[in-house]
Amino acid sequence: RKEVEQDPGPFNVPEGATVAFNCTYSNSASQSFFWYRQDCRKEPKLLMSVYSSGNEDGRFTAQLNRASQYISLLIRDSKLSDSATYLCVLPTGNQFYFGTGTSLTVIP
Amino acid sequence: GAVVSQHPSWVICKSGTSVKIECRSLDFQATTMFWYRQFPKQSLMLMATSNEGSKATYEQGVEKDKFLINHASLTLSTLTVTSAHPEDSSFYICSATRGGMNTEAFFGQGTRLTVV
Repeated sequence: RKEVEQDPGPFNVPEGATVAFNCTYSNSASQSFFWYRQDCRKEPKLLMSVYSSGNEDGRFTAQLNRASQYISLLIRDSKLSDSATYLCVLPTGNQFYFGTGTSLTVIP
Repeated sequence: GAVVSQHPSWVICKSGTSVKIECRSLDFQATTMFWYRQFPKQSLMLMATSNEGSKATYEQGVEKDKFLINHASLTLSTLTVTSAHPEDSSFYICSATRGGMNTEAFFGQGTRLTVV
């Protein structure tokens, strides 16, 4: 089983919509997670860190469900500029495990 | 955030030649650097973990003699793709961490390698 599993999508949503992505993980001891955003042909950039039950930053909310071993990213009031691939990342010891990424396209 | 610089950003080379990619942490000391490969529409695949002053740890299926990694200092790691073939054409990205548990990874800009 992969360390991190993520629905690749694609998700196509209208501008202003709310969209959520989930990511499941296999290591029950994992304590923290990251959500990265990757634009086409660019390097991933950190979007949010999740160290406890969740984190909120403006239109973005990340939550951690330890019982079910998944993390989620919620984007409210989607903007065209939110179109990208979103990667969930599980740091484990000295390594980082990436999900396959979820592709989001926000449509005008 | 911290800055990781990767060079070159793109390179085209002939089949059979070798290509070196550099990854530098500009404003912090990177105990550990990671090398990833990303094919179109796929996620980052970890190739190897590089610790300063020691041999890199390669992921299963990654040929260490083909992808030579050197991490001679706390600010520089290099990846050399030896005897490149067209199937090695990909997007190669490095990342670095400051060390410790669960710290953020900072990514280089990536190198797009095309082997013709």
